[in-house]
Amino acid sequence: NAGVTQTPKFQVLKTGQSMTLQCAQDMNHNSMYWYRQDPGMGLRLIYYSASEGTTDKGEVPNGYNVSRLNKREFSLRLESAAPSQTSVYFCASTQGGSFKTNYGYTFGSGTRLTVV
Amino acid sequence: EDQVTQSPEALRLQEGESSSLNCSYTVSGLRGLFWYRQDPGKGPEFLFTLYSAGEEKEKERLKATLTKKESFLHITAPKPEDSATYLCAVNAGNNRKLIWGLGTSLAVNP
Repeated sequence: NAGVTQTPKFQVLKTGQSMTLQCAQDMNHNSMYWYRQDPGMGLRLIYYSASEGTTDKGEVPNGYNVSRLNKREFSLRLESAAPSQTSVYFCASTQGGSFKTNYGYTFGSGTRLTVV
Repeated sequence: EDQVTQSPEALRLQEGESSSLNCSYTVSGLRGLFWYRQDPGKGPEFLFTLYSAGEEKEKERLKATLTKKESFLHITAPKPEDSATYLCAVNAGNNRKLIWGLGTSLAVNP
């Protein structure tokens, strides 16, 4: 079982460039999430998708867009990268509906993004 | 304001030296408290969910407990492979998101 797969693992962008982070899960989970993790800030939710066809903003959505392509895939797009978006990005999924407490999240291994 | 605080920030133990990590929370309408383990360069790995005060969960050398204000992660006779950052998160009923603590970085020396 692959679980949650994120690509790429590392990326360096110049300010103003765009890119899409890909995430796919093979556990038939309904809900998917994008987080960023920064030193001293902890994990912060960018966007989430409670189910296929729906997306909602989290704590820090500015500068990002998402697409729930199908039940398996949830992508995160940076339209015009800024140095403040330098971070480690994690995709996660869970079986239940939005923030259902019965199940823990399964996280991917992360994308380390540097914007110069 | 909903808040999750973990202590200590860092903890260094000798192999076999038992200890506890703390996660205190201030939320209204707790709908679950989660413990995760995170190894360097990897995503968090789910350990436990606790729902109500008095509840306990165990997995190998780890035991999580919950009161109305805090949770403890007890580590009994730790081994070097238990070295990791341990994260706590809370699902508050009136907020549609998990609130994460900053974690405790645990190092177990052989």
